[in-house]
Amino acid sequence: SQQGEEDPQALSIQEGENATMNCSYKTSINNLQWYRQNSGRGLVHLILIRSNEREKHSGRLRVTLDTSKKSSSLLITASRAADTASYFCATDAEAAGNKLTFGGGTRVLVKP
Amino acid sequence: GAGVSQTPSNKVTEKGKYVELRCDPISGHTALYWYRQSLGQGPEFLIYFQGTGAADDSGLPNDRFFAVRPEGSVSTLKIQRTERGDSAVYLCASSSTSGKGIQYFGPGTRLLVL
Repeated sequence: SQQGEEDPQALSIQEGENATMNCSYKTSINNLQWYRQNSGRGLVHLILIRSNEREKHSGRLRVTLDTSKKSSSLLITASRAADTASYFCATDAEAAGNKLTFGGGTRVLVKP
Repeated sequence: GAGVSQTPSNKVTEKGKYVELRCDPISGHTALYWYRQSLGQGPEFLIYFQGTGAADDSGLPNDRFFAVRPEGSVSTLKIQRTERGDSAVYLCASSSTSGKGIQYFGPGTRLLVL
């Protein structure tokens, strides 16, 4: 079963604009990660944020985590056509061992 | 260095047949995971190995699904009496004990059961 929902399900923006997507989850977590997937194949790890962290940056990526609301956001600044992909949040929880529980994903289209 | 590899890339089979999907993790990674992804959805956990043993197989949908990792490296996911509903992309991932929870995914095997 999926851990939670991602919002929006799909996003279409122009190159250079920022893209923001949100993820909600249901249970207490250890970590929350964001992954990117191109063309429905392998996932690429983007960034990990721990449950005691509130914000993290990596290049053009900014992730926030609000454990009181059980939600996270991923911001991609100055988007490029190469950012076109599906983005998934994934959580791991102490009670669930090491497995990742994924959201349904946000499909992002960056138009040149 | 080499990433996670999976073979075959694509597999077409007929309902009722047996299939094996192979995963070769990153060298030295002790943890190996199998996930299944249906079209338009996020990956769903199937099974997790720590070394040679299955530490968590709670995601296997039924007893037609089985996975092994006999030497603690390569893993094989086996599906008996395939059904059309088994059609999906099967993803494998591996991680190290010092990897802080990050899993590295292979390109997946796209299984189509006709």
